[in-house]
Amino acid sequence: NAGVTQTPKFQVLKTGQSMTLQCAQDMNHEYMSWYRQDPGMGLRLIHYSVGAGITDQGEVPNGYNVSRSTTEDFPLRLLSAAPSQTSVYFCASSSRGGGPYEQYFGPGTRLTVT
Amino acid sequence: AQSVAQPEDQVNVAEGNPLTVKCTYSVSGNPYLFWYVQYPNRGLQFLLKYITGDNLVKGSYGFEAEFNKSQTSFHLKKPSALVSDSALYFCAVRDLGTNYGGSQGNLIFGKGTKLSVKP
Repeated sequence: NAGVTQTPKFQVLKTGQSMTLQCAQDMNHEYMSWYRQDPGMGLRLIHYSVGAGITDQGEVPNGYNVSRSTTEDFPLRLLSAAPSQTSVYFCASSSRGGGPYEQYFGPGTRLTVT
Repeated sequence: AQSVAQPEDQVNVAEGNPLTVKCTYSVSGNPYLFWYVQYPNRGLQFLLKYITGDNLVKGSYGFEAEFNKSQTSFHLKKPSALVSDSALYFCAVRDLGTNYGGSQGNLIFGKGTKLSVKP
């Protein structure tokens, strides 16, 4: 049981490039989410999904797209990278949205945009 | 609106002493509250949660947290700190559906408290 996996671990992009951060979970969780972590700002929610085919925006969605075609995978796409998107990105999942269910986090992707 | 605050950016404790990391929250109804720990260059790990019932919740690695409804607090505690407890600690409250278009699955995180335990 690998839990939540993320690839790549590190990435450097030039301004304007696009890329996809991969996230997968093998726990059959309905709920998945993407956060970014910046110094002094805690974790901010980018997008989330309550099940395959259902996604919604979080607190800071601009510049990011998501899709959820399967229960296992929840990729995050940066459409045109900007220096403001330099951050550490975490994917998380929980068995269901809502209620007392804790979230399980992946190891993170450290992204630098130059 | 739901919110959570961690009033201390950093807490310094000597090894063997008790530690407390503070958290206060604001929700419209009854909260679900969580503590997570993040070691350097790692993802967040779940420590413990409060759902209902006993106000003292026990979790992983000897940590516990006390829920206080009148003070809207959920402070993390440990009777005897270890150097290996040094990490970033996050308090989180469950979004009850008012912030992000009705979702009840989203956690709202505090900004984190860095715990430093010295030998």
